[in-house]
Amino acid sequence: GAVVSQHPSWVICKSGTSVKIECRSLDFQATTMFWYRQFPKQSLMLMATSNEGSKATYEQGVEKDKFLINHASLTLSTLTVTSAHPEDSSFYICSARDMVRTDTQYFGPGTRLTVL
Amino acid sequence: SQQGEEDPQALSIQEGENATMNCSYKTSINNLQWYRQNSGRGLVHLILIRSNEREKHSGRLRVTLDTSKKSSSLLITASRAADTASYFCATDQAGTALIFGKGTTLSVSS
Repeated sequence: GAVVSQHPSWVICKSGTSVKIECRSLDFQATTMFWYRQFPKQSLMLMATSNEGSKATYEQGVEKDKFLINHASLTLSTLTVTSAHPEDSSFYICSARDMVRTDTQYFGPGTRLTVL
Repeated sequence: SQQGEEDPQALSIQEGENATMNCSYKTSINNLQWYRQNSGRGLVHLILIRSNEREKHSGRLRVTLDTSKKSSSLLITASRAADTASYFCATDQAGTALIFGKGTTLSVSS
């Protein structure tokens, strides 16, 4: 089946630094990728929709200047958490929708961010 | 944003028993999917049921969908300790992101 990778799988950083998370579709092309955030013992909350070649669409309450999304190619989207603070510590999961099998969305394994 | 609720929020059963989880949603959908997540890990896709389907089976899993009531259920038969995980339903409105329910935490004891 199709594979989506995320890098890094976990990261620990100091408060105030920026962290970049990569999401790649390995064997299919995705014009649309999605970023979710999951706090402990909670569900996945959609943060933004990443569209190749255009600006991301952010969900209500998600700061676009804090969570920068770049979808530079059909296989790569990046999420940069700028000036991270402890409250940004969370599990970030990306997903990609296959352009051909459009009813199928593949999820990455997630990135655990811990901000000290 | 979240579509709706899962019920119950937590479920504890013995090995061999059946586990039933329910999901309700708010808007019309293209399909509904169920995922499993072990603690601190990624999502595992379990099953997809389309809006024109009423029931679907996969191994020990049985999913039903009632679009008139905007609800779905996931039944796990003959549960095992390895089924211990969180289970989420997610709705697909065709081309948009999957929207997840709040999830049910299942604990199966041996």
